[in-house]
Amino acid sequence: QKEVEQDPGPLSVPEGAIVSLNCTYSNSAFQYFMWYRQYSRKGPELLMYTYSSGNKEDGRFTAQVDKSSKYISLFIRDSQPSDSATYLCAMSFTGTASKLTFGTGTRLQVTL
Amino acid sequence: NAGVTQTPKFQVLKTGQSMTLQCAQDMNHEYMSWYRQDPGMGLRLIHYSVGAGITDQGEVPNGYNVSRSTTEDFPLRLLSAAPSQTSVYFCASRGFSHGTIRANVLTFGAGSRLTVL
Repeated sequence: QKEVEQDPGPLSVPEGAIVSLNCTYSNSAFQYFMWYRQYSRKGPELLMYTYSSGNKEDGRFTAQVDKSSKYISLFIRDSQPSDSATYLCAMSFTGTASKLTFGTGTRLQVTL
Repeated sequence: NAGVTQTPKFQVLKTGQSMTLQCAQDMNHEYMSWYRQDPGMGLRLIHYSVGAGITDQGEVPNGYNVSRSTTEDFPLRLLSAAPSQTSVYFCASRGFSHGTIRANVLTFGAGSRLTVL
């Protein structure tokens, strides 16, 4: 079993839809949680990060962490075609600053 | 700022050949790392460095060598390429801010696509 599980998709939604992307993990020691966005043939770029449980909002994006369920989510409101990309969750332990454990990524397609 | 620059963008090798993937960053980041990305496997850490002269192994280090002679550069060497090393390679860097979220914010390069025949 992988430490971090993420549905690969692809997920196809119409423009304007609310998108929910999710990851589950097995190691309860993870404390930092991140979402990276990766456009085709580009490197990942940091989208959101949270520490421990709770929600964080940034514009149309909301990151949610439920440590009791070992489950993290990224919500995208009013999705746009420019949101079409692969979304990678990533997490790390407190103080282990050198290593991130990534999910395999979910490919999202927002259609007109 | 250029950020993290990787060269070459594309490379085709024959089994047994050697090559070096170059990575340079201009952000004065202490930490640099190499990942490979394969379908269904996600990003996996190959090697990393926390400063000039210091390197360590990641999750999948076999078949790869690294060195860190300067803060800016972190080349990845394949001494004898194998088809299993066909992948997309990403270099990533970040500065240190001990115990805070910023310590985990990696900046990635655009990637180097390697095919080994």
